[in-house]
Amino acid sequence: SYELTQSPSVSVSPGQTASITCSGDKLGEKYASWYQQKPGQSPVLVIYQDRKRPSGIPERFSGSNSGNTATLTISGTQAMDDADYYCQAWDRNTAWGVVFGGGTKLTVL
Amino acid sequence: QVRLVQSGAEVKKPGASVKVSCKASGYSFTGQYIHWVRQAPGKGLEWMGWINPNSGATNYAQKFQGRVTLTTDTSISTAYMDLSSLRSDDTAVYFCARDRGSYDYWGQGTLVTVSS
Repeated sequence: SYELTQSPSVSVSPGQTASITCSGDKLGEKYASWYQQKPGQSPVLVIYQDRKRPSGIPERFSGSNSGNTATLTISGTQAMDDADYYCQAWDRNTAWGVVFGGGTKLTVL
Repeated sequence: QVRLVQSGAEVKKPGASVKVSCKASGYSFTGQYIHWVRQAPGKGLEWMGWINPNSGATNYAQKFQGRVTLTTDTSISTAYMDLSSLRSDDTAVYFCARDRGSYDYWGQGTLVTVSS
């Protein structure tokens, strides 16, 4: 089955740029989405179709996807960005099932 | 506005079944698939399956096939997730989410605790 791999944790200082990666076989040939989740809350979509931002998501969130790696970039990271981030893609080999990465804990310190 | 409102927390014994509901409002219920995702305590997101409310077609993650059943009642814009033969490792928060190619709206989550 298809797998997405994320680093368990990333740390960044306030105001700096955070990069969170998600790797999978030929991931660049699929659309990647990214979700932010804070403790006790439901996930929130922050990037879809590799690089699009939903309404209400700050411009400091951006995405890219090429080769085997999708990247979520947060520019000018703020304390409120401290959260878990999950990548997600579709797996056509399982009749369009869904796969999540294991999640990355972003710590802003 | 779009809302997905789930049923309340459940406590079940091993071997029992649980049925969680997800009531949609603010959009045409039959227009988008509904997915179910769960999250065990301290763990990541795990996809369980999707249902097309318009046709009733479903697709289940291999891990849950034979134990999970997704249904909808379009007359009340509600989706249901039924999980049987519960085990302690099914203890998790269960989410429904609307599919627009990605999950743009999520329910608030339903905690299901499996304990003897």
